[in-house]
Amino acid sequence: AQTVTQSQPEMSVQEAETVTLSCTYDTSESDYYLFWYKQPPSRQMILVIRQEAYKQQNATENRFSVNFQKAAKSFSLKISDSQLGDAAMYFCAHQDTGTASKLTFGTGTRLQVTL
Amino acid sequence: KAGVTQTPRYLIKTRGQQVTLSCSPISGHRSVSWYQQTPGQGLQFLFEYFSETQRNKGNFPGRFSGRQFSNSRSEMNVSTLELGDSALYLCASSLQGFYNEQFFGPGTRLTVL
Repeated sequence: AQTVTQSQPEMSVQEAETVTLSCTYDTSESDYYLFWYKQPPSRQMILVIRQEAYKQQNATENRFSVNFQKAAKSFSLKISDSQLGDAAMYFCAHQDTGTASKLTFGTGTRLQVTL
Repeated sequence: KAGVTQTPRYLIKTRGQQVTLSCSPISGHRSVSWYQQTPGQGLQFLFEYFSETQRNKGNFPGRFSGRQFSNSRSEMNVSTLELGDSALYLCASSLQGFYNEQFFGPGTRLTVL
């Protein structure tokens, strides 16, 4: 079974600084997708960034980038130039290509952004 | 383009009752997945429907069921409610499921008293 582990329940970052959220996963598959979702207090889950396992290049979306280490099964999220609006719960998720839409989520990291 | 809508947004039930939650996917999306979010268990996959067929199922008791209609709208039903069913129920839609981004709705907050 797939598992996703987020070892940091809470993180704090100052506005304009950079923060990295950690995620490790376990799967026996070679082809899969990894995601970072953001859940603000409104509870609406928003996709931040997606990484295909077959791609060696790390995904980047504006201020958000990932460090994907396939051999180590590690998938960290780096947020640069942090903004107050980045404060939220961040969930790492895994999707095997053979299990349709099923996402396996980690337990989440609560990110606080301070002035 | 309208997003994923879920109704109702809030619901209060008592133990033993049953409840039906509704999810309308983004127009053109054929896959609808349901997730349960609780403080203790986190986000857990319930099931996924694609073209009116259940394509994948999570590890939940048979009291949890769902269906999808020809217009891709989906409903999930929980019978004989237990206190532990109190949760935020999220639905997500995507074009076909595989390789497609999933868009989440705002959720239905179910409280079982």
